[in-house]
Order: sequence, then C-alpha cells, then structure tokens
Amino acid sequence: NAGVTQTPKFQVLKTGQSMTLQCAQDMNHEYMSWYRQDPGMGLRLIHYSVGAGITDQGEVPNGYNVSRSTTEDFPLRLLSAAPSQTSVYFCASSYSMTQGTDTQYFGPGTRLTVL
Amino acid sequence: GDSVTQMEGPVTLSEEAFLTINCTYTATGYPSLFWYVQYPGEGLQLLLKATKADDKGSNKGFEATYRKETTSFHLEKGSVQVSDSAVYFCALGTNTGNQFYFGTGTSLTVIP
Repeated sequence: NAGVTQTPKFQVLKTGQSMTLQCAQDMNHEYMSWYRQDPGMGLRLIHYSVGAGITDQGEVPNGYNVSRSTTEDFPLRLLSAAPSQTSVYFCASSYSMTQGTDTQYFGPGTRLTVL
Repeated sequence: GDSVTQMEGPVTLSEEAFLTINCTYTATGYPSLFWYVQYPGEGLQLLLKATKADDKGSNKGFEATYRKETTSFHLEKGSVQVSDSAVYFCALGTNTGNQFYFGTGTSLTVIP
C-alpha cells in the first residue's frame, strides 16, 4: 500500500493563479480531509468528505474548492491564490468518522508559497 | 464546541530526561483521544490513542491515560532520546461530528 499520496511536494504560485493539489489513498477509506498547517496555529480543517460525492466545509474553507468523484481521490483547488494561502497542506484519510475512533493517515504534505 | 488545548512549547530536554506534555479537552459527545507525532519534513503519524475513559494508550515508550474526571490526556515518557525530537499533537474525535480537532502542537527538542 502506498497509503496517502500528495502531489506536488512544493509549489510556488503568483497571486491570482489557480492550481489543484492532488491527494489519493489506496486503503479504501471513506473519510478524507484537507488541513492547512501554519506556525503557532496547529492544523486547521479546510474541507472534508465522508464518501464519494459528499463533501462539506471545515473551519477555513474560503478560497478553496473540493470534489470527491471517486473513493480514492480528493483534490483541493485554489481558485485564485492569495499570499494568505501560503502554508503547508496535508491530506488525511480514515476508514470512517462515524465514531471518531479511527486513526487518520496523513500524506507527506505540500508546501505552497504564494507570491 | 469540541476543542483540545495542549501545552505551549517549545520544550527542550536532555537525553534520558522525563517528558510530560499536557493536553486537556472539551467535548460534547464521547470522544476518542489521540497523540500524533510529526518528524521534520514529514506528515503526522499516529503515536497512540485511547477510545474510552481510563484507557491507557502506549507506543515506543510513550504513554497517555484518558482521564474523564480531569478531561485530560497527558503524554509521558520516562526517558527521552534524541530521536524523539519532533512536534507532538493532541487530537480528539467524537461520535457527534465529522471532524477531528487538533491542538496547536508542542515542539520537543532532545539534546545529547
């Protein structure tokens, strides 16, 4: 199993550009999520999905879109990049979220800089 | 709402010292509690977890006990090593919502 994979590892964008961060998992997990990690703020949830075709907003969804057309993939789209979106982005998955007991598996992260 | 508060860092210890990182929580349902570790340049990985009150999670010499009476899940290790240098996150999952809640992280540096 590759686990959770993310691409790219690093990305530099100019303000106003758009891009998609890719996330895939091969563990047949229902639940997938995106976090951003900023110094002193821990992990903040951007969007999550409880299954294919179902997505919802987390704590900081503005400026980001997601879709979940398959169980395996959960891409994160930045619509018009802003310097405030400079961060490290992590994708995570777990078997389910119904009881809150399942371990979350994290990808290696994407370090994004917006100039 | 649900939340986790953990000890501010950074923490610097000498090798073989005793480690405690405090974590307290607020939850409306019946939470499960987790400690995750993030080594430099990597994603988070599960260190240990406990899914009900009085459970003790343990792994790699680290331990944490789920204390409902004090709403706490403090991480401890009796003798830290240089290889334990990392950022540690306390986290909470519940059966009443669809998200995890993470603390802000505590950076640990162990010096030889």
